Amino acid sequence: DGGITQSPKYLFRKEGQNVTLSCEQNLNHDAMYWYRQDPGQGLRLIYYSQIVNDFQKGDIAEGYSVSREKKESFPLTVTSAQKNPTAFYLCAAGGGVNQPQHFGDGTRLSIL
Amino acid sequence: GQNIDQPTEMTATEGAIVQINCTYQTSGFNGLFWYQQHAGEAPTFLSYNVLDGLEEKGRFSSFLSRSKGYSYLLLKELQMKDSASYLCAVLGLGGFKTIFGAGTRLFVKA
Repeated sequence: DGGITQSPKYLFRKEGQNVTLSCEQNLNHDAMYWYRQDPGQGLRLIYYSQIVNDFQKGDIAEGYSVSREKKESFPLTVTSAQKNPTAFYLCAAGGGVNQPQHFGDGTRLSIL
Repeated sequence: GQNIDQPTEMTATEGAIVQINCTYQTSGFNGLFWYQQHAGEAPTFLSYNVLDGLEEKGRFSSFLSRSKGYSYLLLKELQMKDSASYLCAVLGLGGFKTIFGAGTRLFVKA
């Protein structure tokens, strides 16, 4: 099946711990994105990558890190510096003029 | 700054028509998207407008006025499954960053 696969679906983080959210795509898109969604708020851009081995900070990058070593993969690490990580995290690929973004099913991160 | 405004919540009756408005102020414009998002799920694409006017796609239509920074999504013959959040999103300058509104939660009642 073609699409965006995010794992895990639910993730719990202990204080001081780094956790990594996985995002894999088989749609052959160059661009990939990470968004954070909090209740009652829209999607806020954390990081994006337009091409392999390159990525840019979005609007709320502090406390997060990413890598883009392969076209198919764009993992997001939530570091201990992110003091309020509880949120729904969405990965997307594609998007542009007349091209909607395709989203994964999301990872819900909570603090233990 | 960049801003997208849409109502927080709306309620409508099954079988009726509902219009969800969106106003935007962004640096650069390369089109406006509407997405549907059920609770806890991924957003799914509904429509795209880049030129002024109405785009119709089955029960869903979307309108754009670039001069007014305004769009609306029209849902006809509402069904219970249409209960969801509807996200207005603008593709900004450069054509690769999308700015999302907070979404409108639509409740369809019997």
